[in-house]
Amino acid sequence: KAGVTQTPRYLIKTRGQQVTLSCSPISGHRSVSWYQQTPGQGLQFLFEYFSETQRNKGNFPGRFSGRQFSNSRSEMNVSTLELGDSALYLCASSRQGSNNNEQFFGPGTRLTVL
Amino acid sequence: TQLLEQSPQFLSIQEGENLTVYCNSSSVFSSLQWYRQEPGEGPVLLVTVVTGGEVKKLKRLTFQFGDARKDSSLHITAAQPGDTGLYLCAGSYSGAGSYQLTFGKGTKLSVIP
Repeated sequence: KAGVTQTPRYLIKTRGQQVTLSCSPISGHRSVSWYQQTPGQGLQFLFEYFSETQRNKGNFPGRFSGRQFSNSRSEMNVSTLELGDSALYLCASSRQGSNNNEQFFGPGTRLTVL
Repeated sequence: TQLLEQSPQFLSIQEGENLTVYCNSSSVFSSLQWYRQEPGEGPVLLVTVVTGGEVKKLKRLTFQFGDARKDSSLHITAAQPGDTGLYLCAGSYSGAGSYQLTFGKGTKLSVIP
């Protein structure tokens, strides 16, 4: 069974630009979560989607948005990029997003904002 | 806001030594997971614990969930260089926001041959 895939793996942007990251979950998984990982803050939850609906959102500004398609693939978008948005963006999928919540992560997209 | 604290933040040991990593929360979690992450990769799930007092073993790794489900530990016996990585604990809690994981900042382990 193929794992979670994320594209692109690396991205370099400049301040003020916008970026779209893509995530394909494990086949059969309907829940997709996004996390931002930085050396200082660790892994921080961005949002979670299930059946094309955002069920939960972390404490990030509105510049961070996402969506999920009918095939469970998900995208996240960051507008008006800031230097502090440089991070590893991780996508994780799980079957139902239940309380046991076993999540399986992709390799991440390394975003650098210059 | 639920917080997870991990300790120690860094750990450098010789091959063959034992070590324990701790994870503590201010809230009761419905489940807790341990992940290992290597540079340039996403975290890989090691184990999920759900029941207070639960102990799970994965080869040389022993995971324990506290009776009150507010803390957990990971013990590695006879560490090997292949154990090197970032160990993360992550908790899931009941109620609003139950579909998210709250992560600790991790323990960076280096096992020196």
